[in-house]
Amino acid sequence: GENVEQHPSTLSVQEGDSAVIKCTYSDSASNYFPWYKQELGKGPQLIIDIRSNVGEKKDQRIAVTLNKTAKHFSLHITETQPEDSAVYFCAASRTGRRALTFGSGTRLQVQP
Amino acid sequence: EAGVAQSPRYKIIEKRQSVAFWCNPISGHATLYWYQQILGQGPKLLIQFQNNGVVDDSQLPKDRFSAERLKGVDSTLKIQPAKLEDSAVYLCASRPPGGRTEKLFFGSGTQLSVL
Repeated sequence: GENVEQHPSTLSVQEGDSAVIKCTYSDSASNYFPWYKQELGKGPQLIIDIRSNVGEKKDQRIAVTLNKTAKHFSLHITETQPEDSAVYFCAASRTGRRALTFGSGTRLQVQP
Repeated sequence: EAGVAQSPRYKIIEKRQSVAFWCNPISGHATLYWYQQILGQGPKLLIQFQNNGVVDDSQLPKDRFSAERLKGVDSTLKIQPAKLEDSAVYLCASRPPGGRTEKLFFGSGTQLSVL
């Protein structure tokens, strides 16, 4: 089955700096790669996703890049704010086989 | 729109006891998932339903875990008997039908502590 590895496990940045979280996946047939944000006591929420026919996608301060050859994808957050502090999970799946396989998470702390 | 509802919010039991969790997905969402999230880890799929049928239960420990979605709406996940390693947050998620989106909508979860 699919295996998703994520790093770093913790990341501390100063407000206004950029943050980068990286993931690798094992199943070359995976074609959907979402990122979820989980705040304390809540369920994960989708913040951005990318499909394998696209190399990069951006939504305001958040961007995701995908390298299919290397089987890795990354989340980039620019101009970080204290409210970005949360745990971020990457995930991967094949379209048609809907269940996501999640990475182990990155705890992002944005220092004011 | 109303989100995914889960109850109870917290549950504390002793090992070998049984426990049940309930999930009511967003109205109209055909696909329902139960995920187990152990502290410090990502969610791990336990079971996936499409309407009232099981799509994937390959990672469900069937000797102690069971789940049902009899009318294709709400769902119950049961553990009997519980073990210490079952301590986790149990997350329910749902997804709209028809492939309109891959987005999962998660509930806030049930935090289980097994003593």
